[in-house]
Amino acid sequence: EIVLTQSPVTLSFPPGERATLSCRASQSVDRYLAWYQHKPGQSPRLLIYDVSNRATGIPARFTGSGSGTDFTLTISSLEPEDSAVYYCHHRNGWPETFGPGTTVEIK
Amino acid sequence: QLQLQESGPGLVKPSETLSLTCTVSGDSIGRSGYYWGWIRQPPGRGLEWIGSIAYSGNTYYNPSLMSRVTISRDMSQNQFSLKLTSVTAADTAIYYCGREQALTMMGDYWGRGTLVTVSS
Repeated sequence: EIVLTQSPVTLSFPPGERATLSCRASQSVDRYLAWYQHKPGQSPRLLIYDVSNRATGIPARFTGSGSGTDFTLTISSLEPEDSAVYYCHHRNGWPETFGPGTTVEIK
Repeated sequence: QLQLQESGPGLVKPSETLSLTCTVSGDSIGRSGYYWGWIRQPPGRGLEWIGSIAYSGNTYYNPSLMSRVTISRDMSQNQFSLKLTSVTAADTAIYYCGREQALTMMGDYWGRGTLVTVSS
């Protein structure tokens, strides 16, 4: 099983700041790495697929990068509505796994 | 537009079987190149992948749940289902059904979820 580790656990910034979230895999996930935004009472929302592609309707301030085992989600200028938990998710074979999540707080 | 709706009992007794159905509209669960699956989120915890059923009918399960989980489908109703046997309080969670696309994660999408509580 591929284990995904995310850091930091929590991130707190004022609006307009840049946020960098990290996801590390215990072995290569090739390009099958996605980032989800999850707010209470809502479905997980696909932000980034295949490492670096923005999903439909996702603002340009969200950028995914990385390769192999190390991946990054960057939010270039935080907005109040970006407050959520962010998960990385791999689908490079079974079982699929999610990272433990990074909580982003906008203060 | 793809819509996924989870349905089933919101309360299940310990040792009994949790049964949920996902009704799909806006796509066909038999469409080549897609998988249909379940994830869950226990209270205060992160997301956990449960398993999926492919367009071919093949199933894939989380090894930690494999002995208790079955995912099946009803093509005539465009529905797929989750059964989890011998539940305990640890199975209390929001359960989400969703679609995953083969060879790319572009088409991945999850429903709004349904809370299932395991309690006597």
